[in-house]
Amino acid sequence: DVKVTQSSRYLVKRTGEKVFLECVQDMDHENMFWYRQDPGLGLRLIYFSYDVKMKEKGDIPEGYSVSREKKERFSLILESASTNQTSMYLCASSLSGSAETQYFGPGTRLLVL
Amino acid sequence: LAKTTQPISMDSYEGQEVNITCSHNNIATNDYITWYQQFPSQGPRFIIQGYKTKVTNEVASLFIPADRKSSTLSLPRVSLSDTAVYYCLVGTGGTYKYIFGTGTRLKVLA
Repeated sequence: DVKVTQSSRYLVKRTGEKVFLECVQDMDHENMFWYRQDPGLGLRLIYFSYDVKMKEKGDIPEGYSVSREKKERFSLILESASTNQTSMYLCASSLSGSAETQYFGPGTRLLVL
Repeated sequence: LAKTTQPISMDSYEGQEVNITCSHNNIATNDYITWYQQFPSQGPRFIIQGYKTKVTNEVASLFIPADRKSSTLSLPRVSLSDTAVYYCLVGTGGTYKYIFGTGTRLKVLA
């Protein structure tokens, strides 16, 4: 079974802090994704990566950056956290190819005070 | 990018068949249609994927008409454990961008 793990299930940070969310997958998948999920808005794609050191913006990249130094690890960075970044963050991975199934981690619920 | 539209919520009773329809009028030729299921406090989980006509697996069936502008997820004989949010996605071939809508919240009643 594919396993996607996220570094924390719950995080509480203060406005202005730099926040790192880490995601690790164990199936040698080429693609990795970061989404945020908010009530009434569904899942929205923040960034995705199709290879090491490669990244592309999703629909809502503002206020976020990402890093993929190793194939199995994809990090989401909030350079200066703001209250409107309070959300559930979900990481996913998939094999190469756009029609491939995405496997999701359990999510990180981030609260920015 | 193809956008999807689904009903916001549905109620059903145990043992009934549930059909959830998704509209995707701007689907592209090389797009696949994929459905995911999400339980509270968990990430979405793949259910089924198709390109055209009908696909069936051990969990669900997916019906896609010839024009591919909509699709219907069919869950046979639902149980209480099928209570979840169901998302319809249209994959934008070659760009890796999936668009998740707001999903359909299915509630199965005893």
